[in-house]
Amino acid sequence: AQSVTQLDSHVSVSEGTPVLLRCNYSSSYSPSLFWYVQHPNKGLQLLLKYTSAATLVKGINGFEAEFKKSETSFHLTKPSAHMSDAAEYFCVVSEGNDMRFGAGTRLTVKP
Amino acid sequence: GAGVSQSPSNKVTEKGKDVELRCDPISGHTALYWYRQRLGQGLEFLIYFQGNSAPDKSGLPSDRFSAERTGESVSTLTIQRTQQEDSAVYLCASSQRETQYFGPGTRLLVL
Repeated sequence: AQSVTQLDSHVSVSEGTPVLLRCNYSSSYSPSLFWYVQHPNKGLQLLLKYTSAATLVKGINGFEAEFKKSETSFHLTKPSAHMSDAAEYFCVVSEGNDMRFGAGTRLTVKP
Repeated sequence: GAGVSQSPSNKVTEKGKDVELRCDPISGHTALYWYRQRLGQGLEFLIYFQGNSAPDKSGLPSDRFSAERTGESVSTLTIQRTQQEDSAVYLCASSQRETQYFGPGTRLLVL
């Protein structure tokens, strides 16, 4: 079965600096990959998804992720962090409709 | 409705009582998932329904947990003889074309 590992449980950045949230996956097939964001006391929101089209995927709020098959990675990046980006981020791998979540990375943005 | 709905939004129960949580997926979505999210932790997969196939129950933590789904409609998650460690937010998601849409969750507190 597929699985996903988020390499950092907590990332802290200063406002205006780049964000990198790391995700590695394991899958027997060509997977689909997603990033979800969960703000405090809010529901989960889809940030972006990769489904075998372009390997660089652009999402909402200036986030993007690059699918690297050779590294089995799908890291999430943003050039300049904003205070409103502080949230929990989940990397997800799916084979068909069977989807599995990573443990999450909590992003803290310092002023 | 426009999205996934869950009821109740909050549930407080006494240890040892049974609880039933309801999820109404988006109409037409063939896949439905239940997750548990304990305070400050990531999503824990519980169970996955796909159409009329046998559900994937591999995430259910004990035999006190069970779930049903009628066709491609409503699902109920039942927790029997609740324990304090069952306190968590229970999230339901439905999916179409590999994108999950989450409900607002049911916050369960077992006293």
